[in-house]
Formats: sequence, C-alpha cells, structure tokens
Amino acid sequence: SQQGEEDPQALSIQEGENATMNCSYKTSINNLQWYRQNSGRGLVHLILIRSNEREKHSGRLRVTLDTSKKSSSLLITASRAADTASYFCATDQTGANNLFFGTGTRLTVIP
Amino acid sequence: DGGITQSPKYLFRKEGQNVTLSCEQNLNHDAMYWYRQDPGQGLRLIYYSQIVNDFQKGDIAEGYSVSREKKESFPLTVTSAQKNPTAFYLCATSQTSLGTDTQYFGPGTRLTVL
Repeated sequence: SQQGEEDPQALSIQEGENATMNCSYKTSINNLQWYRQNSGRGLVHLILIRSNEREKHSGRLRVTLDTSKKSSSLLITASRAADTASYFCATDQTGANNLFFGTGTRLTVIP
Repeated sequence: DGGITQSPKYLFRKEGQNVTLSCEQNLNHDAMYWYRQDPGQGLRLIYYSQIVNDFQKGDIAEGYSVSREKKESFPLTVTSAQKNPTAFYLCATSQTSLGTDTQYFGPGTRLTVL
C-alpha cells in the first residue's frame, strides 16, 4: 500500500495535556500534510511541511519531519475538548499526481 | 467545507441500481478528486481530474465512473458493478494538481446500499 500509517490508532487524553501522533510512510516525498476530520465531516487542512524542512509551527500545532526515518509527528499542545477529531497525514510522493492519506489517529480530549 | 457542495448528504440505494453523487465547487480550482472512506479507515482515491474533460483512475476505480464536462462539477456514478458500495464519499479540490497544493474537502455523502 502507498498509504502512510498513523500511530497510535486512537489516543485519549485530558484537556490541557499535549497530544502527539506519528505518521510513517514508505517512499520519497516532496511534502507531507496533516488534516483533521470531525466525525462525519470532510477533512480540513492543518499544516504542510516540505521535505527540506525539519520542523514547522502553526499556533498550538508543531510538526516535525524526519525524511531519513520516513516519519513525521504532529504535536498539539494544551489540548482542548474541541480538538477531538481524527487526524490524517497525507504525502505528496515523488512522481505521483495526488496525495496518499494515512489511516488516521482518533484523538479524544476529555474535558 | 466552504466552496464545495456535495449532495445529497445521505443516500440509500437498492442493490443493482446505479446512483450519482454530486460535487460542485465555486473555488475556480482546476483539480477535483473523489475519495472513499470506510469506517475507521483512511481515504482511498477513486478518480481524479486535473482539468476539464480529463480524468484519471485512482487506486479503486472499479465499479465507479466520473465525468468532468464543466470546471465546477465532477459527478461520481456508483454503478451496480461496485460490489461493496456502502461508504462515506468525499469530494475534494485543489488549485492545481500539484501535490504541494492543499486539498479542500466537501462535507461528504454517506451512501448505504439496502
């Protein structure tokens, strides 16, 4: 499969804690994107990190990329109940014309 | 979800019937995509279109068909040849077909085969 894999599949934390989810992929990429999906809705783009970048921040989000390990992590700091959703990584693989989505991490933030 | 509409939100189909899912966008984006999502799973690409009057098969195109006669519209037909069509279908667009482009998603259509 060309899809990435997120780890863990599910994560449950208390409000205020940090949440970390990981994405591994198999081939060379141009960039990696993270998306969020609320239950039964479409996906919303969160952040994009290019293959020549190692870390990127956006508000409470921090994304890292290690191309040597073919992995990325998404950190959500000071989590809120409203962060409850599924989070997907998507890779722009070299030579491909579309994104490849991972299997997702379901995050539950308990108030 | 803004700028991309999918209809209907819920769709029920009897076995053996074809059904068409609508996707319309007013973002003036060149590229449009159809994904299928099964419970607890990621997205799998069905078809995509980089430009009007052109489309390409994705990973799971069998049993599906599309058309791209207008820039704004990319309807997906689920045919009776699709053996397990019950799923959540998501339409997406991007400004171009370059992988660096963000994809924008519609709200989805949940198809149930009775």
